[in-house]
Amino acid sequence: DQQVKQNSPSLSVQEGRISILNCDYTNSMFDYFLWYKKYPAEGPTFLISISSIKDKNEDGRFTVFLNKSAKHLSLHIVPSQPGDSAVYFCAATTSGTYKYIFGTGTRLKVLA
Amino acid sequence: EADIYQTPRYLVIGTGKKITLECSQTMGHDKMYWYQQDPGMELHLIHYSYGVNSTEKGDLSSESTVSRIRTEHFPLTLESARPSHTSQYLCASSSGTPVYGYTFGSGTRLTVV
Repeated sequence: DQQVKQNSPSLSVQEGRISILNCDYTNSMFDYFLWYKKYPAEGPTFLISISSIKDKNEDGRFTVFLNKSAKHLSLHIVPSQPGDSAVYFCAATTSGTYKYIFGTGTRLKVLA
Repeated sequence: EADIYQTPRYLVIGTGKKITLECSQTMGHDKMYWYQQDPGMELHLIHYSYGVNSTEKGDLSSESTVSRIRTEHFPLTLESARPSHTSQYLCASSSGTPVYGYTFGSGTRLTVV
């Protein structure tokens, strides 16, 4: 039973346009959500997070939106750059469990 | 610079060999984790530790074992490697503050032939 789902395995976007990566979850106890970026043969690096008391968090070109009623979050990258080409994982946790559940990832390719 | 280190980055080894994957962090985090990831799949938690002399098995059953004798060190051992153990192994640490997530090492790509 997959609690965190990324239904799009891949996405291609033109340089300068917006990239939108989506993530759905099933566990209503999750109260923190994170996005990680992973290059081949490297470990994931933390990008941005959001707590369930917010519906938006922004950091530079990256914005995460949370829709609790739909159990859905999305990561927007504006403008997209070729260096953003990587696999993006969403993850979720419940405070106090100290463990994160990860999605299967979406491979983003930004075309120059 | 505070960081988390994994060695080796790549390892090709024969069936039946004993291997230890090293993981060390200099951030003073008390929580450490091992994840396994196959291409195109989610990260699966195989072991975790919330402090010295404390280790637990994760959600994915694994034949590996871990130890936590020092806060900064969390090695993973396979007593007898098999081709089914071929995967990427990722070590991570955390302060426990949920908004900051994990800090991951660079990973070890293990191939058992």
